Amino acid sequence: DAKTTQPNSMESNEEEPVHLPCNHSTISGTDYIHWYRQLPSQGPEYVIHGLTSNVNNRMASLAIAEDRKSSTLILHRATLRDAAVYYCICTSGTYKYIFGTGTRLKVLA
Amino acid sequence: DAEITQSPRHKITETGRQVTLACHQTWNHNNMFWYRQDLGHGLRLIHYSYGVHDTNKGEVSDGYSVSRSNTEDLPLTLESAASSQTSVYFCASSPRWGGAVAEAFFGQGTRLTVV
Repeated sequence: DAKTTQPNSMESNEEEPVHLPCNHSTISGTDYIHWYRQLPSQGPEYVIHGLTSNVNNRMASLAIAEDRKSSTLILHRATLRDAAVYYCICTSGTYKYIFGTGTRLKVLA
Repeated sequence: DAEITQSPRHKITETGRQVTLACHQTWNHNNMFWYRQDLGHGLRLIHYSYGVHDTNKGEVSDGYSVSRSNTEDLPLTLESAASSQTSVYFCASSPRWGGAVAEAFFGQGTRLTVV
């Protein structure tokens, strides 16, 4: 499973879009890119995942670079409830998730 | 509704005692995981299981054990609790599909303090 690199922290204003980057330069062809987030005092929760194509769901969008060495989680309109630690994880057939330190997102009112 | 529950939510124990943390899921998921999270750190994988009678060591398995006697439960045992095992413990489960696209569901965590 590929190692991921994320900025330690980011800030955003409420109601504005947020782009959370993730580098995974050693990703293999079978690795999926997963994003989870952890709200304060809670367990992580699934946000989105993808393999090669960009993905959208009700929570966010995932933009994957053409070479797959990086990806970006996009929150279209940040709310105060989106303040959390966001984790980018690459994993393939092992099904297990190895978490890094993630990006702490602070949303300013 | 299906869910994953951990118990107890909080526990204080003494050094040297054996402690078992429970994890129960009602999704009938094959995969189950235990993580620990220390202040200022991400989650670290302790043990995981892909099905009944299957267990595997994760990144930080020393001092911990698990057993999987049925699909629903994966109890985590600290054989002889140490202060270094003071942490928040999270259990998770996910289904086994053909590809690695399984969404994992996490419990609310157990805060363990070893004094």
